[in-house]
Amino acid sequence: DTAVSQTPKYLVTQMGNDKSIKCEQNLGHDTMYWYKQDSKKFLKIMFSYNNKELIINETVPNRFSPKSPDKAHLNLHINSLELGDSAVYFCASSARPTGSYNEQFFGPGTRLTVL
Amino acid sequence: QKEVEQNSGPLSVPEGAIASLNCTYSDRGSQSFFWYRQYSGKSPELIMFIYSNGDKEDGRFTAQLNKASQYVSLLIRDSQPSDSATYLCAVGRGQNFVFGPGTRLSVLP
Repeated sequence: DTAVSQTPKYLVTQMGNDKSIKCEQNLGHDTMYWYKQDSKKFLKIMFSYNNKELIINETVPNRFSPKSPDKAHLNLHINSLELGDSAVYFCASSARPTGSYNEQFFGPGTRLTVL
Repeated sequence: QKEVEQNSGPLSVPEGAIASLNCTYSDRGSQSFFWYRQYSGKSPELIMFIYSNGDKEDGRFTAQLNKASQYVSLLIRDSQPSDSATYLCAVGRGQNFVFGPGTRLSVLP
């Protein structure tokens, strides 16, 4: 009965490859997010997605693209992987995008290592 | 650049003491404020959220918000060794959330 789940838990790949990370939430939430936590443990928001409205952090390279087949899923596609993409990626969800009840619940994370 | 600042620590307190964690933010339009606990190698876990000025208590945890001073704090009473973790302050405005760098708390038995 995991609330927010991600697959895979670990991902090791070569530079230049394209990879995807999947995220699913069974909380009935309207909004989902992707975060990147680097080696210095700084957690930075990459995307938020609510009712087909995508808000992108302007610092995120366009090699990263979120795709949402339905409200319960928000997958992250990464093209042409670079060494600097190595990090832990967290998916999160919240009941609402703003105001009350927008507290976020995080998935277990995906540790991406680019060689 | 909207910023959230925290002392990186480590903050060491003896078991049973009160741990006080502080956070300041730069965006006066911030609307929602959160404290997350993150154990090493794990995902952030929501501890407290607060939207209005004042105090909010939940068990051993109290969150305090002062929007005029752009300051939010977390008090942990009767600290336990299991409270040893990194505590992340997060500030929300609209659909944007900014996390602080975290404060590492160590509760000594």
